[in-house]
Amino acid sequence: GDSVTQMEGPVTLSEEAFLTINCTYTATGYPSLFWYVQYPGEGLQLLLKATKADDKGSNKGFEATYRKETTSFHLEKGSVQVSDSAVYFCALSRGYSTLTFGKGTMLLVSP
Amino acid sequence: DTGVSQNPRHKITKRGQNVTFRCDPISEHNRLYWYRQTLGQGPEFLTYFQNEAQLEKSRLLSDRFSAERPKGSFSTLEIQRTEQGDSAMYLCASSLILEGALPGANVLTFGAGSRLTVL
Repeated sequence: GDSVTQMEGPVTLSEEAFLTINCTYTATGYPSLFWYVQYPGEGLQLLLKATKADDKGSNKGFEATYRKETTSFHLEKGSVQVSDSAVYFCALSRGYSTLTFGKGTMLLVSP
Repeated sequence: DTGVSQNPRHKITKRGQNVTFRCDPISEHNRLYWYRQTLGQGPEFLTYFQNEAQLEKSRLLSDRFSAERPKGSFSTLEIQRTEQGDSAMYLCASSLILEGALPGANVLTFGAGSRLTVL
């Protein structure tokens, strides 16, 4: 079945550091890939998505590129802020089906 | 539009009791989803509706769980005879899928969740 594997957290960074959160997936066909973010006490919010190979999703300075050859969708940001502290979830869907999520990676950014 | 609303936000109950959660989706959305999230895990799919029809149920949805969306608007998730293993955050999400939409167009908007603690 479909699955998503994320790097374990927490990831602890200082403000303005470079961020990478690794995500790899297993799925048949050509899934769409997503990153969701969950801030404390809030619901999951879509951060970015990519629907086909080599697509790059981007939002709020975050980027991720759909790499079919390595089945990966790593999240990156060049300079993190304290306000980026949250839990980040990688997810996939096939066609119009439901989302399959990874376990999430907590990011903690200190001033 | 106030987003996806879930009530109650927190529920503490004793083992064996029944609980019900309510979800009010974004009004123009035709799909409604229920997920469960336990500590340190990602959300796990439970079930979803397209309008009032329940189209898919996960194996996680045991006989003690029932979900309804009677008029294609709000939804309820009832858990009967709760067990300690039911303690989790129950998440509701909604989306709008139009005919002919491209794959990946199904973007879910989540509520803040209803946290259940079974003592």
